[in-house]
Amino acid sequence: DTEVTQTPKHLVMGMTNKKSLKCEQHMGHRAMYWYKQKAKKPPELMFVYSYEKLSINESVPSRFSPECPNSSLLNLHLHALQPEDSALYLCASSQDPTGGDEKLFFGSGTQLSVL
Amino acid sequence: AQKVTQAQTEISVVEKEDVTLDCVYETRDTTYYLFWYKQPPSGELVFLIRRNSFDEQNEISGRYSWNFQKSTSSFNFTITASQVVDSAVYFCALSGRAAGNKLTFGGGTRVLVKP
Repeated sequence: DTEVTQTPKHLVMGMTNKKSLKCEQHMGHRAMYWYKQKAKKPPELMFVYSYEKLSINESVPSRFSPECPNSSLLNLHLHALQPEDSALYLCASSQDPTGGDEKLFFGSGTQLSVL
Repeated sequence: AQKVTQAQTEISVVEKEDVTLDCVYETRDTTYYLFWYKQPPSGELVFLIRRNSFDEQNEISGRYSWNFQKSTSSFNFTITASQVVDSAVYFCALSGRAAGNKLTFGGGTRVLVKP
């Protein structure tokens, strides 16, 4: 199983809503990542979890709250988002978080629209 | 700091034509890693290749080939005899200690292969 599964595929939410994005991998990978991708732009790193601990937060606003309940699951909790947060949110995983040579496995993403 | 430049934003070819995607990078690291990822319309980024800075051998994988030239800081990607299924956005990326081993993506090149 070499898949990273993300749910939901599409999400529309109002600025006062609370929602969560979910990501799952069963490859035994020890690093998991959240990326944000605006249209026609490259992915931008948001968070990295290494061995279930948050290791990198790229100065992401607190309205985005990551959670790693176990080594296979990664959540991104959303609250009080702004319309400019509308984007494709991609989850990724890699086997070993320590080196720079890691091959990332990506999910298909959640297309988020904030109204 | 590190930087990746993909000068071509969009390339359109007719099926069976060859297409070359340019990638130029900047880094002060002596050890670094270069990657190419493909992002089809479905959204997930798919790993294509990884190269470390000490391995300048060119590589061929089926219709794909890569030309790594350290002297010009380039890591170009050629698709031979393109097919409609090659239509996607292709990202070149770089990682190294200077950026905390985080991936720096280029802006991406959209390839459109017409039948």
